[in-house]
Amino acid sequence: NAGVTQTPKFQVLKTGQSMTLQCAQDMNHNSMYWYRQDPGMGLRLIYYSASEGTTDKGEVPNGYNVSRLNKREFSLRLESAAPSQTSVYFCASRRRGYLGQYFGPGTRLTVT
Amino acid sequence: DQQVKQNSPSLSVQEGRISILNCDYTNSMFDYFLWYKKYPAEGPTFLISISSIKDKNEDGRFTVFLNKSAKHLSLHIVPSQPGDSAVYFCAASKDYKLSFGAGTTVTVRA
Repeated sequence: NAGVTQTPKFQVLKTGQSMTLQCAQDMNHNSMYWYRQDPGMGLRLIYYSASEGTTDKGEVPNGYNVSRLNKREFSLRLESAAPSQTSVYFCASRRRGYLGQYFGPGTRLTVT
Repeated sequence: DQQVKQNSPSLSVQEGRISILNCDYTNSMFDYFLWYKKYPAEGPTFLISISSIKDKNEDGRFTVFLNKSAKHLSLHIVPSQPGDSAVYFCAASKDYKLSFGAGTTVTVRA
């Protein structure tokens, strides 16, 4: 089992460019999550998907969109990147009825 | 407005001694509390959790204590080992959504 995988590991964008962060899990989990981690802020929830076919906003959704492509994959899209979106992005998944979330290794994004 | 706070950004402890990490929260509707451990360039990994109806949960060297009246929880690591050097995040759960603290960096000295 690879667990939760994220691509790319690193990315540098110019202001206004768009990109999609990919996340996949092979644990047959129902729920998936996107977080961002900023210095001194901990992890903040951007969007989540409780099950295939549903998505909901988290604490900081502005400037992002998501797609739950199937049960395995949950992507995060930045339509017009801004320097304030420079952060480390983590994807996570959770098994139904289980509290803990399993995290991917993260994507470090820099917007110049 | 941060609902989960870890007021100590860092903690240094000697190998073999106890590490105590603290966490405060503001929302009384949280139903579970979790601790995650994170090494550099890796994602957080789940360590231990506690239900809001309990006051203590123990798993090997790790014990979490919850004081609901004070809205405070703590993680005790005994004895501390070099491999425990990492960032520790406190998280609180409501409807399976997690709110995280800013983290405490633990350094275990030989």
